[in-house]
Amino acid sequence: EIVLTQSPGTLSLSPGERATLSCRASQSISSSYLAWYQQKPGQAPRLLIYDASSRATGIPDRFSGSGSGTDFTLIISRLEPEDFAVYYCQQYGSSPPAWTFGQGTKVEIK
Amino acid sequence: EVQLVQSGAEVKKPGESLKISCKGSGYSFTSYWIGWVRQMPGKGLEWMGIIYPGDSDTRYSPSFQGQVTISADKSISTAYLQWSSLKASDTAMYYCARGGLGARPDYWGQGALVTVSS
Repeated sequence: EIVLTQSPGTLSLSPGERATLSCRASQSISSSYLAWYQQKPGQAPRLLIYDASSRATGIPDRFSGSGSGTDFTLIISRLEPEDFAVYYCQQYGSSPPAWTFGQGTKVEIK
Repeated sequence: EVQLVQSGAEVKKPGESLKISCKGSGYSFTSYWIGWVRQMPGKGLEWMGIIYPGDSDTRYSPSFQGQVTISADKSISTAYLQWSSLKASDTAMYYCARGGLGARPDYWGQGALVTVSS
């Protein structure tokens, strides 16, 4: 079973700043099957990035994902007020089908 | 438009049984996985299990194996998550999500809050 470790646990930044979130896997993730989600209080998770670097439909280009193997990164180039939320990375795959989530990184207003 | 609509909030007592649902529409229900995710109050997302409605192939996270049952009725495009005997620790928000290419979750239900309290 793959374990995903996100860092940092909390990121305190100001609007306009750049946010860099990390997700490390306990073993290599095949086909770069790694996604990033944003979750705000009282809402379902919102898919931002899939396959490590592909933006989901409607996601602004200030969000970008990169990485392969065991190390992945989500960058928010310039934080907007609506970007302050919790972010989760997730591994998925179909052989066998299984999902694993990281513990989350909270991006808060400094 | 792809939609997953979950059943409403539930308040139950410890020891009671419960079955919550997730109805898919706008796509071929039998051709995509449906997974279930738990989020306890103030905590992160936990994968519980996944089902392929086309042939009812079901897989569980080791953490949830034997604790819940996942099923689907393809005739009404609905997946289910059920408990035979609820505990207070089952209090959480439960989400269903569609597994697309590579079983990647691409659409999510709105969530169903389950509260278990005596």
